Amino acid sequence: GENVEQHPSTLSVQEGDSAVIKCTYSDSASNYFPWYKQELGKGPQLIIDIRSNVGEKKDQRIAVTLNKTAKHFSLHITETQPEDSAVYFCAASPNFGNEKLTFGTGTRLTIIP
Amino acid sequence: DTEVTQTPKHLVMGMTNKKSLKCEQHMGHRAMYWYKQKAKKPPELMFVYSYEKLSINESVPSRFSPECPNSSLLNLHLHALQPEDSALYLCASSRGTGGMYEQYFGPGTRLTVT
Repeated sequence: GENVEQHPSTLSVQEGDSAVIKCTYSDSASNYFPWYKQELGKGPQLIIDIRSNVGEKKDQRIAVTLNKTAKHFSLHITETQPEDSAVYFCAASPNFGNEKLTFGTGTRLTIIP
Repeated sequence: DTEVTQTPKHLVMGMTNKKSLKCEQHMGHRAMYWYKQKAKKPPELMFVYSYEKLSINESVPSRFSPECPNSSLLNLHLHALQPEDSALYLCASSRGTGGMYEQYFGPGTRLTVT
């Protein structure tokens, strides 16, 4: 089955700086890579996703890059703000059938004002 | 609108109680999921319903019993739980199953078993 590793487990950055979270996956059949943000006491919120036919996707301050050859993908947050503080999970899934999302172990991001 | 609602928000139950968790979505999604999340861990898949039929059971103990009365509703019936079952229970939905479709999560039910 799929295995997703996520690093770092904790990350602190100064407000206004950039944050990068990296994930690697093991199953070459994986084609869909979402990122979720989970604030304290809330459910995970889908913030951005990427499919294997593109190498990069951007939405305002958030971007995701994918390297299928190396089997890794990354989340980039620019101009960080205090409200970006949360736990971020990456995930991977094949693009067909009933295959489940396999989540990374999570990164606790803290933005220092 | 990508809202999935869950009730109750919090639930405390004894090991001999029977209770139910409820999940609802009105996005026309045909796949619904139950996840369990322990503190500082990622969500862990329990069950998947596709077109109101159970398609995946991740070897969950029988004290957890899912039910999908219609395409908008998903229940999780709880009976004879153990303290280690205390966790955040999350419901999610998507247009279909498989990685083609985004999964949207509800806020969860915080369950405490005493």
